[in-house]
Amino acid sequence: DGGITQSPKYLFRKEGQNVTLSCEQNLNHDAMYWYRQDPGQGLRLIYYSQIVNDFQKGDIAEGYSVSREKKESFPLTVTSAQKNPTAFYLCASSKLDTQYFGPGTRLTVL
Amino acid sequence: QQQVKQSPQSLIVQKGGISIINCAYENTAFDYFPWYQQFPGKGPALLIAIRPDVSEKKEGRFTISFNKSAKQFSLHIMDSQPGDSATYFCAASLGGYSTLTFGKGTMLLVSP
Repeated sequence: DGGITQSPKYLFRKEGQNVTLSCEQNLNHDAMYWYRQDPGQGLRLIYYSQIVNDFQKGDIAEGYSVSREKKESFPLTVTSAQKNPTAFYLCASSKLDTQYFGPGTRLTVL
Repeated sequence: QQQVKQSPQSLIVQKGGISIINCAYENTAFDYFPWYQQFPGKGPALLIAIRPDVSEKKEGRFTISFNKSAKQFSLHIMDSQPGDSATYFCAASLGGYSTLTFGKGTMLLVSP
């Protein structure tokens, strides 16, 4: 089956810890994106990558980091510098302008 | 500022009625306008999309109306069903590999 997978579905983290969220796609899409979703805030862009080994900051990149070593993978690290990391994180990929989303990871900081 | 303003924030419609969600944008260079449907705890799913060269696009019970001069576009859900109860997001982009700017979402509840 073609699609976007995100793991884990739920993630719990203690304050001060870094955590990495996984995103994989087998759609052969060039571009990949990370969004953060909070209640009433819509979707806010964290980072995006249009090609392997290159990525750009989105609107709320502070406290996050990414890598794009393979076309299929775009992991997101939530660092201890992110002041309010509890949220629903969504990964997306696209070939040109149509973006398709993964199922999301819910991160809770304890 | 590339903004997309979506209204209403929430909407209750009776089964069989028409649900209407509106979005307004500022950047006249936007070239692609998708709508997404999201169920609780799930990722958004692309519902329907339009480009500014057409004024209306219909797919089943879902229709996008686009008014280029007013810089507005709207989603109409005909014969709304309880299964349509979800959050709907409009978005806009410059096309190509440019990023999407999302509205803040509309929570739709279709009462049986």
